[in-house]
Amino acid sequence: EADIYQTPRYLVIGTGKKITLECSQTMGHDKMYWYQQDPGMELHLIHYSYGVNSTEKGDLSSESTVSRIRTEHFPLTLESARPSHTSQYLCASSGNRGPDTGELFFGEGSRLTVL
Amino acid sequence: KNQVEQSPQSLIILEGKNCTLQCNYTVSPFSNLRWYKQDTGRGPVSLTIMTFSENTKSNGRYTATLDADTKQSSLHITASQLSDSASYICVVSDRGSTLGRLYFGRGTQLTVWP
Repeated sequence: EADIYQTPRYLVIGTGKKITLECSQTMGHDKMYWYQQDPGMELHLIHYSYGVNSTEKGDLSSESTVSRIRTEHFPLTLESARPSHTSQYLCASSGNRGPDTGELFFGEGSRLTVL
Repeated sequence: KNQVEQSPQSLIILEGKNCTLQCNYTVSPFSNLRWYKQDTGRGPVSLTIMTFSENTKSNGRYTATLDADTKQSSLHITASQLSDSASYICVVSDRGSTLGRLYFGRGTQLTVWP
């Protein structure tokens, strides 16, 4: 059982609201990731971090921002949510060997709906 | 262009039957291939990881095969159970960068009927 947690699991908000999706892991992993997944589509990497104070944008352009102040915590923030942000957001982490060789553990996901 | 293609897109089988899911990829250079199971509304869970030198790996009733020459992988499920109903995602990693980039397929949606 992976020790990576996401909150909230489900969120319905109005346009223009600021939201933060929380992600925490207790495995001591340096590397953490945020993916976006729409129904029937592949996962797309939107942010990743290789350690504290290290964050990079992924392949898919996103208006969200992330921070990595503590190893175990990797929150994602949307300053002004829009209906186009409606999606499933998955947080993941991997051990120090990285995703090219190590296991990738996913959280349960946060389903965001913007009205 | 690096891609991962999975087939079929969806599959319905009866409980107790076997099935095989396919994954073709064009990712190069190749590092490893993973199969994940994703239940509806949940995060993906790893089933197997195979490197270039491995051509088969089992995890209970799940057996994955890899042909690195033809760039094909399959996931065979034996004696299916209702709990096998899920999306099965093939993920290929390259060695082209320190990121160890992952390429995701769109998944095969498996439904097991009683």
